[in-house]
Amino acid sequence: GQNIDQPTEMTATEGAIVQINCTYQTSGFNGLFWYQQHAGEAPTFLSYNVLDGLEEKGRFSSFLSRSKGYSYLLLKELQMKDSASYLCAVRGRQTGANNLFFGTGTRLTVIP
Amino acid sequence: DTAVSQTPKYLVTQMGNDKSIKCEQNLGHDTMYWYKQDSKKFLKIMFSYNNKELIINETVPNRFSPKSPDKAHLNLHINSLELGDSAVYFCASSQASVNEQFFGPGTRLTVL
Repeated sequence: GQNIDQPTEMTATEGAIVQINCTYQTSGFNGLFWYQQHAGEAPTFLSYNVLDGLEEKGRFSSFLSRSKGYSYLLLKELQMKDSASYLCAVRGRQTGANNLFFGTGTRLTVIP
Repeated sequence: DTAVSQTPKYLVTQMGNDKSIKCEQNLGHDTMYWYKQDSKKFLKIMFSYNNKELIINETVPNRFSPKSPDKAHLNLHINSLELGDSAVYFCASSQASVNEQFFGPGTRLTVL
């Protein structure tokens, strides 16, 4: 089975940097994803890691350590529009499937 | 516009009824999914389907059944609706060779 843990809520200040952690335990691992979901909207893809290390994409970066079952999403130069839920998801290793197993999400509030 | 679309956006119905939610993607993807997001915002995979294989999350009651008339559509049928079925249901699609899943706008189902 899969067990994915993230903090429930975080608050950060506009212009600052925030790190959202995710730890996971899975029966098979084939990649870790981060999605952003604004209230009342669909999740949208942010990043993907399958090898250890840091992936950078603009203001957002994601890090993975497979040996530790750990990932984080780093958001720089926070903007008010970054207030949203951030979902960590793990893809299992199943033939013919691309199933994602999501954590409960971290609701980030950016304050002025 | 290229996208994943769902109908209806809102669905209010009585316990015991049978209902369907439609999903269409015009992205040319080969795999489609259904997710359930409960009141605590936990997003959970229900089904994944490509032309060859249906993978069912073992926790999904058999009152739920996906139907795919063609590779661009994956509809969700729900029989004998229960109060606990109230949630937002998201359809998603992906291409096997690409990691990102694209989500539809969601259908908010309320069972009275």
